[in-house]
Amino acid sequence: DSGVTQTPKHLITATGQRVTLRCSPRSGDLSVYWYQQSLDQGLQFLIQYYNGEERAKGNILERFSAQQFPDLHSELNLSSLELGDSALYFCASSVRPETTHEQYFGPGTRLTVT
Amino acid sequence: AQKITQTQPGMFVQEKEAVTLDCTYDTSDPSYGLFWYKQPSSGEMIFLIYQGSYDQQNATEGRYSLNFQKARKSANLVISASQLGDSAMYFCAMREGLGDYKLSFGAGTTVTVRA
Repeated sequence: DSGVTQTPKHLITATGQRVTLRCSPRSGDLSVYWYQQSLDQGLQFLIQYYNGEERAKGNILERFSAQQFPDLHSELNLSSLELGDSALYFCASSVRPETTHEQYFGPGTRLTVT
Repeated sequence: AQKITQTQPGMFVQEKEAVTLDCTYDTSDPSYGLFWYKQPSSGEMIFLIYQGSYDQQNATEGRYSLNFQKARKSANLVISASQLGDSAMYFCAMREGLGDYKLSFGAGTTVTVRA
């Protein structure tokens, strides 16, 4: 158990819908990262937050957005869902990126768009 | 261009034997970090080992060791004394620079340990 929690574990929804994925980092971790794992794209970085502020952005679609709240939990919002958005979405956390090496991953949320 | 290349899609290894998983990387940044993660069939990503670009010694963590050859830009993972529980997908990843901490992942290598 990495200490990072993600909810829900599974999500099945229809095209065009909007969903919210939630992540609670390990206690004390200030930085949260979101990754998408799909069969065709592999594991891709989406976005990073550090202590409530956006720190880095990867291949995140405009239909996707994220935020980190004062209690440090983070949410990833996916809207106008398409079949190709079906993937495993991971949240990872680290204390301070510049002083720690590893990112601890949550169990992931498996999103299926039908 | 691909930053992390894992050329072995799948490997079989006999229980108690060692296995080497290949990873090559591409970066022009002198400061970077290399990681290996394990993903069992249950789906979670488990951190295994880390090697910094300035580290003089190869990293080791229990049965895992990282064979870091900087000039060749390779960071191979060696799993010694393989166990059935080592059957999983293994990902090599890289973090570049000091200001951006995202990880770039390779395509992964599936390891199957045979009894």
